[in-house]
Amino acid sequence: KAGVTQTPRYLIKTRGQQVTLSCSPISGHRSVSWYQQTPGQGLQFLFEYFSETQRNKGNFPGRFSGRQFSNSRSEMNVSTLELGDSALYLCASSRKMVRGGGTSTDTQYFGPGTRLTVL
Amino acid sequence: AQTVTQSQPEMSVQEAETVTLSCTYDTSESDYYLFWYKQPPSRQMILVIRQEAYKQQNATENRFSVNFQKAAKSFSLKISDSQLGDAAMYFCGHNTDKLIFGTGTRLQVFP
Repeated sequence: KAGVTQTPRYLIKTRGQQVTLSCSPISGHRSVSWYQQTPGQGLQFLFEYFSETQRNKGNFPGRFSGRQFSNSRSEMNVSTLELGDSALYLCASSRKMVRGGGTSTDTQYFGPGTRLTVL
Repeated sequence: AQTVTQSQPEMSVQEAETVTLSCTYDTSESDYYLFWYKQPPSRQMILVIRQEAYKQQNATENRFSVNFQKAAKSFSLKISDSQLGDAAMYFCGHNTDKLIFGTGTRLQVFP
């Protein structure tokens, strides 16, 4: 089974531009989560999509947005880029298990990441 | 609020020896998962081991095992017979409705 793929792998943008990153989950996985990794802030949760709906959101400004398509592929968009947005953006996919009256996300499998540099 | 704490920024171990990485977490939930991920220099996050909170038995994957103490909210990772390829950043994660990571422990393995 193919793993999680992310495109592009590397990206260089300038301040004020916008960027779109793409993530294709493992076949059969319907949940896609996005994370930002920086040396200063570590690994931070951005948002999660399941069945084309945003199910959860981290503490990031509205410049960060995302969407999920019917085939579970997801994109995240960052508008009006700032220098501080330079980071490794990781995407992870998982099944969404229904357990005991509630839902919980199962093991997340990560893609190789997109390295974004903002100049 | 969910929090995960890894109090050891760096650890080192001799090849073939055993090392334990610490992790504590805080949650008000009773049903959750705990994970250890490894991130080598390639930056690819690789799942090492996972533990379901309702299972009392500690998870084991080959040379990797955990010591899960639910009441103490502690989840340490033991690496036995350490190998040079084990050198990486190790992240502890706690998952209820979202996956929250600790700050990571950099493991160095010396020959």
